[in-house]
Amino acid sequence: DTEVTQTPKHLVMGMTNKKSLKCEQHMGHRAMYWYKQKAKKPPELMFVYSYEKLSINESVPSRFSPECPNSSLLNLHLHALQPEDSALYLCASSQETEETQYFGPGTRLLVL
Amino acid sequence: AQTVTQSQPEMSVQEAETVTLSCTYDTSESDYYLFWYKQPPSRQMILVIRQEAYKQQNATENRFSVNFQKAAKSFSLKISDSQLGDAAMYFCAYRRSDDMRFGAGTRLTVKP
Repeated sequence: DTEVTQTPKHLVMGMTNKKSLKCEQHMGHRAMYWYKQKAKKPPELMFVYSYEKLSINESVPSRFSPECPNSSLLNLHLHALQPEDSALYLCASSQETEETQYFGPGTRLLVL
Repeated sequence: AQTVTQSQPEMSVQEAETVTLSCTYDTSESDYYLFWYKQPPSRQMILVIRQEAYKQQNATENRFSVNFQKAAKSFSLKISDSQLGDAAMYFCAYRRSDDMRFGAGTRLTVKP
């Protein structure tokens, strides 16, 4: 089983809203990732969690706040987003940080 | 910084024919991983094939194979007996430790 699930599939929010994206995997992976992907562009790494600790934060604005409550769950809390933050947000996981990453289906976010 | 270059923004292939997608990368490291991911319009990133840099043998997965030239820093993907379901955006990716970098992608069209 190489399944990573993400909810919601689609999200529309205003610039003053607070929302959260959720990612879950039950493969026993110890590393989880958030990526941002704009249309017709490759994914850009945002955050890396390894053993539930944040190990990489690629200079992402503070309006994005990641959280890893346990080894199976990864959240991305959104607050005061801008229209340019509209994108596909992908979650991925891997056994260790060196291993193959498996991606979820993504959340399509639209900020109005 | 490591960079990944895919010089073919678009490629097309006739069904049942063979097509090769190009990828070059830049690194000063000797140990790393290379991947090809496929992203259909449904948007989920799917692993196609993986190559460890320390392995001289080219990876193969059914109709998909790579030509890994470490000295030339080249990692091309060959798709044999192309099928309509192979139509997608293909991303080449480089990974070392927490760092994962994607190329800009090649959009593959399969003509019936």
